[in-house]
Amino acid sequence: GAVVSQHPSWVICKSGTSVKIECRSLDFQATTMFWYRQFPKQSLMLMATSNEGSKATYEQGVEKDKFLINHASLTLSTLTVTSAHPEDSSFYICSARGDLSYGYTFGSGTRLTVV
Amino acid sequence: AQTVTQSQPEMSVQEAETVTLSCTYDTSESNYYLFWYKQPPSRQMILVIRQEAYKQQNATENRFSVNFQKAAKSFSLKISDSQLGDTAMYFCAFGLRTDKLIFGTGTRLQVFP
Repeated sequence: GAVVSQHPSWVICKSGTSVKIECRSLDFQATTMFWYRQFPKQSLMLMATSNEGSKATYEQGVEKDKFLINHASLTLSTLTVTSAHPEDSSFYICSARGDLSYGYTFGSGTRLTVV
Repeated sequence: AQTVTQSQPEMSVQEAETVTLSCTYDTSESNYYLFWYKQPPSRQMILVIRQEAYKQQNATENRFSVNFQKAAKSFSLKISDSQLGDTAMYFCAFGLRTDKLIFGTGTRLQVFP
């Protein structure tokens, strides 16, 4: 079946530094990738949609300059949290979609803690 | 704009019993997909079942089945013979063929021994 690998699974960083999260589709070509943020006991909040080779489309209220998304290949998308602050601490999940027969496959998530 | 509503924040069921989780949605589209995802404590999102709107037959995956009522815009999930491992958050989601998924707020299911 379709597999999406997300790394790291957890990361602690200092306030003001940047953190990069990777999302890879291992056995299919992901034409579209989605990045979500999830607060404790809440649903997934879509941050942005990225198509391979194109600029990401951000949801309203999401800061483009803080959350940089790159989708340079059909198997890799990255989310970089720039100048991280404690309020950026959250659980981030990626999802990839290729041929629709795969549906939407999710990574295992990244817990980011900014101290 | 599409919306997804899950009106049951929490549900509980005894092991081996059956439980039904509710989901309603709103859309003006005719071709779309509906999903149920499970998120256990590990927080990995796991696809439970998928329904294509153009198919009248309700989807079934082992102990999981749906009751898809297109006219009523209802998409409930029935879990039969509940197991302890079914304890998780369950999210209903709506998707168009070339668009993002829209999630409901989730239902926390607790299975008791």
